[in-house]
Amino acid sequence: QKEVEQDPGPLSVPEGAIVSLNCTYSNSAFQYFMWYRQYSRKGPELLMYTYSSGNKEDGRFTAQVDKSSKYISLFIRDSQPSDSATYLCAIEGGSTLGRLYFGRGTQLTVWP
Amino acid sequence: DAGVIQSPRHEVTEMGQEVTLRCKPISGHNSLFWYRQTMMRGLELLIYFNNNVPIDDSGMPEDRFSAKMPNASFSTLKIQPSEPRDSAVYFCASSPDSDEQYFGPGTRLTVT
Repeated sequence: QKEVEQDPGPLSVPEGAIVSLNCTYSNSAFQYFMWYRQYSRKGPELLMYTYSSGNKEDGRFTAQVDKSSKYISLFIRDSQPSDSATYLCAIEGGSTLGRLYFGRGTQLTVWP
Repeated sequence: DAGVIQSPRHEVTEMGQEVTLRCKPISGHNSLFWYRQTMMRGLELLIYFNNNVPIDDSGMPEDRFSAKMPNASFSTLKIQPSEPRDSAVYFCASSPDSDEQYFGPGTRLTVT
């Protein structure tokens, strides 16, 4: 079993839709949870970062962590065509400090 | 700051040839990571350096792969001999505190 599982999609939604992206993880020792965004032919860049259960909001983006279920989510409100990208969840906290475990990424397209 | 710099951006080589990928991390960052990204396997960590010392190389596929970090401002990833299955995008990332990682633009490697 991989440390992090993520549905690769693809996901296609109309502009203005609410998008929900999800990951599950296997190791309860993981403590830090991140979402990276990767535009086509670019490197990933950090979008959201949280270390506790609950919600964290940043503009149109909300990151949610449920440690009891080992489940993390990213919600995008009022999605825009500029949100079209691949979204990767990443988790840290295993035996090697600083090592991130990435999901495969979900490819999102927001059409106007 | 210029961000993480990788070279070359594209590399096409024939099977059996040696390939060397280069990375210059962001100045002041003490952690450096090499990743490989493919459609099938997503983003995989190959090796992780902290203060120029390899911390975790469990992701290095086999003896054909080697990585060095001779100083804080330079790292190389070498594949010798290269094989078609090594075709992927290779990313270098650096981090100031082992949390947020800053990715370079990647090197797209094609082995024919």
